[in-house]
Amino acid sequence: SYELTQPPSVSVSPGQMARITCSGDELPRQYAYWYQQKPGQAPLLVIYKDTERPSGIPERFSGSSSGTTVTLTINGVQAEDEADYYCQSADTNATHLEVIFGGGTRLTVL
Amino acid sequence: QLQLQESGPGLVKPSQTLSLTCTVSGGSISDGGNYWSWIRQHPGKGLEWIGFIYDSGDTHYNPSLKSRATISTDTSKNQFSLKLTSVIAADTAVYYCARDKAKRYCTGGRCYDPPGFGFDPWGRGTLVTVSS
Repeated sequence: SYELTQPPSVSVSPGQMARITCSGDELPRQYAYWYQQKPGQAPLLVIYKDTERPSGIPERFSGSSSGTTVTLTINGVQAEDEADYYCQSADTNATHLEVIFGGGTRLTVL
Repeated sequence: QLQLQESGPGLVKPSQTLSLTCTVSGGSISDGGNYWSWIRQHPGKGLEWIGFIYDSGDTHYNPSLKSRATISTDTSKNQFSLKLTSVIAADTAVYYCARDKAKRYCTGGRCYDPPGFGFDPWGRGTLVTVSS
């Protein structure tokens, strides 16, 4: 398998843009997914298949992909966006299927 | 809408078997195209995928668990379960159940149904402590 690497922390002021990156060798060939987790809560899917946003997720959340790096962007960060964010992808071949999570990024809204 | 709820003992002794159940409501576990999944989170740490079971009964597990995990379904109860054998203190974690959906693609005359929509929804999680 391979690893997904995220920065441990990102800090932004309210109203600013936050970018959280996730790097992994298989990301050019595998979709990435992003989860938001607030303290004491289960993770919540905010981006799937690199760029798709589930219904009910605010438009300020977006995803992009370039080579071995995917990025979660939050435009106009709000205080309620303070949370841990995890990327997720997969390692697959004809007989093997494994899900991989990044180590998580703590987003602090200053 | 689909909802998941974990249940099981909150305390397990070392070397014993951890057994958890996830009850599915708002949908049927027999509905096609779903990967019924277990994921855990050690205290203060990140997410770790344990494994999942697909409609066909095919299962996939995290290799790091070294064959200690078994996931199964009980369609009569609309539930799926996790058993983790020979537990140690390092298995202390919040355990989540979740669902991913298959995304079919065909190539070379064959079709495949890998998971492809992300884990959604999740259960609220249940803390399991391994201690004597």
